[in-house]
Amino acid sequence: AQSVSQHNHHVILSEAASLELGCNNSHGGTVNLFWYVQYPGQHLQLLLKYFSGDPLVKGIKGFEAEFIKSKFSFNLRKPSVQWSDTAEYFCAREPKLTFGGGTRVLVKP
Amino acid sequence: GAVVSQHPSRVICKSGTSVKIECRSLDFQATTMFWYRQFPKQSLMLMATSNEGSKATYEQGVEKDKFLINHASLTLSTLTVTSAHPEDSSFYICSARGGWGNQPQHFGDGTRLSIL
Repeated sequence: AQSVSQHNHHVILSEAASLELGCNNSHGGTVNLFWYVQYPGQHLQLLLKYFSGDPLVKGIKGFEAEFIKSKFSFNLRKPSVQWSDTAEYFCAREPKLTFGGGTRVLVKP
Repeated sequence: GAVVSQHPSRVICKSGTSVKIECRSLDFQATTMFWYRQFPKQSLMLMATSNEGSKATYEQGVEKDKFLINHASLTLSTLTVTSAHPEDSSFYICSARGGWGNQPQHFGDGTRLSIL
């Protein structure tokens, strides 16, 4: 059974709109959580990571995510997207890096 | 930042041949390397984990005699798909992690393997 689930497969939004991508980690306990991004034709890049401490983590390019233990969630947010944020986003957990199914985001100019 | 180079980026070959894919960490020493497979419109699936100098640990359902992994140095791991068949056609991605403890993985660009 997939232990990392992403709620949306596809998201389409306009520039300057706010973005929130859902991620649920069905396994409780101590885990490391990640969000990766894959821009068209490029390799996976790390956006941000959570290991411990402050549950609100800030990543590159204005992204942030909050780990809510009670909800097993680690949603990714960005207050105002740009066309260049068009990509596929993957939530992942460790130990043994396991990826969610990915969410394709299309930002219309 | 940490760079992982994967080669070749695309391979097309006949059924029955063996194909070797290289994964190199260019500016750091990779104590652990990982090999993933990605089917169309699906997420990455971990195939195996390898630590430098030791045998790879394969995930359930992955044939170790089919997918040979060698991690002979701290900067190079290879995946050899032996006697490849059309069902082995896929996108293979490697990643590497340096040091120990909580270090993120850095990914290569992937290899598109097509078996005719």
